[in-house]
Amino acid sequence: GAVVSQHPSRVICKSGTSVKIECRSLDFQATTMFWYRQFPKQSLMLMATSNEGSKATYEQGVEKDKFLINHASLTLSTLTVTSAHPEDSSFYICSARKTEPVEKLFFGSGTQLSVL
Amino acid sequence: QKEVEQDPGPLSVPEGAIVSLNCTYSNSAFQYFMWYRQYSRKGPELLMYTYSSGNKEDGRFTAQVDKSSKYISLFIRDSQPSDSATYLCAMSAGAAGNKLTFGGGTRVLVKP
Repeated sequence: GAVVSQHPSRVICKSGTSVKIECRSLDFQATTMFWYRQFPKQSLMLMATSNEGSKATYEQGVEKDKFLINHASLTLSTLTVTSAHPEDSSFYICSARKTEPVEKLFFGSGTQLSVL
Repeated sequence: QKEVEQDPGPLSVPEGAIVSLNCTYSNSAFQYFMWYRQYSRKGPELLMYTYSSGNKEDGRFTAQVDKSSKYISLFIRDSQPSDSATYLCAMSAGAAGNKLTFGGGTRVLVKP
């Protein structure tokens, strides 16, 4: 299967600071990537759709000024959690769309964010 | 009511048994159906991918889709302790690479 790399795998930060998470498709180009959030023992909740070269599309209830998404190349999307607060602590997962030979989504390994 | 319903488990089976998982859904527009396996604090791994109704087999895994009943299943034969994980069903209306709607996941424990 295709490889999607996500870094860092774990980050601890102080309240009020910003944290950047990177998502890279290593062996394919991804014009579209998705960012999810997952709370303990719950399923994945879509936060936003990231399209290369254009603005991200956010799901209802997700603050676009707090969760900044940049998709500057066909292999890299970043999620920046700005002015993080303890309630932002969660497991963040990215996925990248691979279109050939069959369209599928492949997921990164996730980032556990803990805001103190 | 959630769009996709999945029993959270845990589902505990002895090694070698068949694991039976299922999801029900309410959106008749869903056309693509996926099963993902997720180990604790890891990203989901795609196991099976099915378009529309029917069965699909891949090694020890069999996926079934019954669109008339809005019901999908995943069977794991000859289960191993390494199969212990959370299994997520996911669905999409447009294409498999579009926005996915996930079930809540079923935690499976395979005991040696």
